[in-house]
This record gives sequence, structure tokens and C-alpha cells, in this order.
Amino acid sequence: DTGVSQDPRHKITKRGQNVTFRCDPISEHNRLYWYRQTLGQGPEFLTYFQNEAQLEKSRLLSDRFSAERPKGSFSTLEIQRTEQGDSAMYLCASSPGTGGMFVDEQFFGPGTRLTVL
Amino acid sequence: KQEVTQIPAALSVPEGENLVLNCSFTDSAIYNLQWFRQDPGKGLTSLLLIQSSQREQTSGRLNASLDKSSGRSTLYIAASQPGDSATYLCAVSDRGSTLGRLYFGRGTQLTVWP
Repeated sequence: DTGVSQDPRHKITKRGQNVTFRCDPISEHNRLYWYRQTLGQGPEFLTYFQNEAQLEKSRLLSDRFSAERPKGSFSTLEIQRTEQGDSAMYLCASSPGTGGMFVDEQFFGPGTRLTVL
Repeated sequence: KQEVTQIPAALSVPEGENLVLNCSFTDSAIYNLQWFRQDPGKGLTSLLLIQSSQREQTSGRLNASLDKSSGRSTLYIAASQPGDSATYLCAVSDRGSTLGRLYFGRGTQLTVWP
């Protein structure tokens, strides 16, 4: 399977615990995005990486959230001191990003469903 | 800020019908528009990508059109099948935001019954 993969697919945690999600983009895709989707809503942008550089963070991403993309390959999204409001589907997407300002198609992973009790 | 609206929110049709899903966006300065399909509890599957310079794209029974100046797109599904049942999401990437950042509508939940 050469698509975007995410791990774990499901995570149940207690309020106050830390969680970390992983995203493996399509090989050689330079751009990587994280989105969050709550029930009945469309996904909302969280953050964007161009290779290993994190170029933008949404205001939705509070200080409890941190994302990394070491070496410009896989990415991790960590949530510290989880709250019930963090319960959502966390989606990762990647795109080739080889054409300068050209914006190409984004491919999404299966998502990680987080439930905070 | 870009806002994307999808109408209708839900649609239920018998198998075989041709149907149209609508998407509108407030800022016409976009790079492109993508239509996605999402099955319950799953990730998003890209269906069609229309660049801002294009008017339409076709893939099998799907045809998407784009009228950038009026801020509208339609997704046409021909000869619908029960397997088409899913939520369809429209998203735009606009020129005033982070490169490639997508703004999504809430989706149209489609049910095709046999």
C-alpha cells in the first residue's frame, strides 16, 4: 500500500493524559498537512509542513499541541494534557509539492479517532 | 476568511437517478477545488481536482464543474448506485492562505437506496 498511513487508527485515553499520533505520507511527498474533524463537520486545518519545516500553525492548535516532521519524512502530532474537547478524528494529508507555488492534489490517510474520557 | 457551503446537507435517492451536489465558496481567488468522498468513520478519498484555470473534470460517472467567478462548483453523479452512498466533501485551496491549506464544507450526506 503506497497511500498515506496513520497510526494508531483509534485511541481512547483519559483526560489529562498525553497522546501521540503518527503519519507516514506518500513517499517523496514534500508537503504534509494535519486536519481535525469533529462529528458532522468538515475537516479543519491544524498545521502544514514543507519538508521538515513547519510553516504554519492554525489558531486551533493550542500550546498543548505540537507537531514535528524530522528529516521531512513521517510526522507526529502530540497532544499534552488531553481534554474532552480534543475528541475528534485527526487526519493527515500529503501532496507532492514539487512545483514551487503550484498547489496539487492532497491525499488523505485513514485518520486517527481520538476519544478522551 | 474563506467559507465553503454545501447544499443540500443530505440527499436520499433511488438507485439509477442522476444527481447534483452543490458547493459554493466566498473568495474566488483559489488555486484549485477538490471533491472528496468520506465513508462513515473513514478518511477522505479524493474524487476530482479542478485547477482554477479549468472549467470541469470528469472521472467515470462523476463530473465536476467550476465557475470561479461566481464561487460555485457542482458535482454531477450519473446513474447513482447504492455503493455511492457516502458523505461528499468539497474543499478549496485559496491564494490568500497557507499554500495548499484546504477549506472544507460540511458535506452532503448521500444515500442511494436499491
